[in-house]
Formats: sequence, structure tokens, C-alpha cells
Amino acid sequence: AQTVTQSQPEMSVQEAETVTLSCTYDTSESDYYLFWYKQPPSRQMILVIRQEAYKQQNATENRFSVNFQKAAKSFSLKISDSQLGDAAMYFCAYRIHNNAGNMLTFGGGTRLMVKP
Amino acid sequence: DTAVSQTPKYLVTQMGNDKSIKCEQNLGHDTMYWYKQDSKKFLKIMFSYNNKELIINETVPNRFSPKSPDKAHLNLHINSLELGDSAVYFCASSHYRGPETLLSFGPGTRLLVL
Repeated sequence: AQTVTQSQPEMSVQEAETVTLSCTYDTSESDYYLFWYKQPPSRQMILVIRQEAYKQQNATENRFSVNFQKAAKSFSLKISDSQLGDAAMYFCAYRIHNNAGNMLTFGGGTRLMVKP
Repeated sequence: DTAVSQTPKYLVTQMGNDKSIKCEQNLGHDTMYWYKQDSKKFLKIMFSYNNKELIINETVPNRFSPKSPDKAHLNLHINSLELGDSAVYFCASSHYRGPETLLSFGPGTRLLVL
């Protein structure tokens, strides 16, 4: 079974600085997708960024980028120039590439606090 | 236009009652899901339906019964509610296949069992 682990229950960052959230996963598959979701206090699940395992290049979306280390099964999220609106729960998630049903397995989440 | 909608957004009820949560999507997706987020924020898949057929059924008490009247709707009925059922329930939808397919989440339903 696939598992996703986020070892940091809480992180804090000063506004305008950079923070990295950690995620590791366990799988025997060679092809899969990884995601970071943001959940603000509104509870809405918002996709931040995704990475295809077969792509070596790390995904980036504006201030958000990932460090994908396939051999180490590590998928960290870097948030640059942190903003107050980045404060939220962040969830790492995994999906097999050919998984019928598009089922996501989530990590336990990291609460990010942004200090003004 | 709301893509995935759930009703109600909040549900407070007594132990032992039966309640339903409704979900509708207007994205043309053929697969719908129910996820449960517990008090520790842990999110886990409960059920998945593709074209009204059950395709994923994780270890969930049989007091939980999903029903999909059509591809655009997946309702969750819970019998004999227990305190431990208190959680946020998320509906989601996607296409069944394809590497580019993404999950679209509803806003969640917060259930509190007293």
C-alpha cells in the first residue's frame, strides 16, 4: 500500500521569506503523480502544484516550486516570498499514473503560519 | 458557476439519527468520490463511483451508504450516527482515466454528532 508522510505538523515563516515543507512517500510503482494541496480556513481544497514522476524537471507555479527526488521518494514544496494568504494547511498527495478512479492518498498535513 | 457543490455545508445532529449529504457536479466528470477529513485533519478516501457504479469502497462501516442516481450526483447516507462520525466530508469528481485528469473538490460538509 502507498503511504504519504509529512513529518512537520506545523511550520512558521516570516512574511516575504522562504519556507520548505517536507513530504516523503512509499510506493513500488514507477509511474505516478504527486500533488500539493492547500486548505485555507475556508476548508476548500486548492491544488497548488503537481509533478509527474516520469519528468525529471521540478514543477514550478509562480512562487511555488517542488524538489522532487525520485530515488529518495521525497517531494518537498518551497514557497518563496511568503504572503499572509499562504497561511493554511498543506497536504501532499500521491496517485498512481494508471490508477483507475484517480484515487489520491494524502499525507497528514502541515499547518503553515505566516508571521507579518 | 459552482463546479462541485455539497449540501448542507453544516450538519449538527444527535447520536443515533440518520442523515444524508448531497453532492452534485456540473463538470461533466464520470467519476465521483467521498473523502472524510477527521478532527486531526487526516483525509482519506471512502468511496468512488464511476458511471453510477461503485469502484472503490475502503474500510468504512456499513452504516455509510453512498448512492449515485446519475453521473452528476453522489449522495452519502449515514445511519445510526455515532460521535466518531463527526468530521468534514468532501465530495470530489474527476474523469475516470487519463494522466491529465485532476480531482475537483467540493467545499466540504462539516458534520457534528452530539
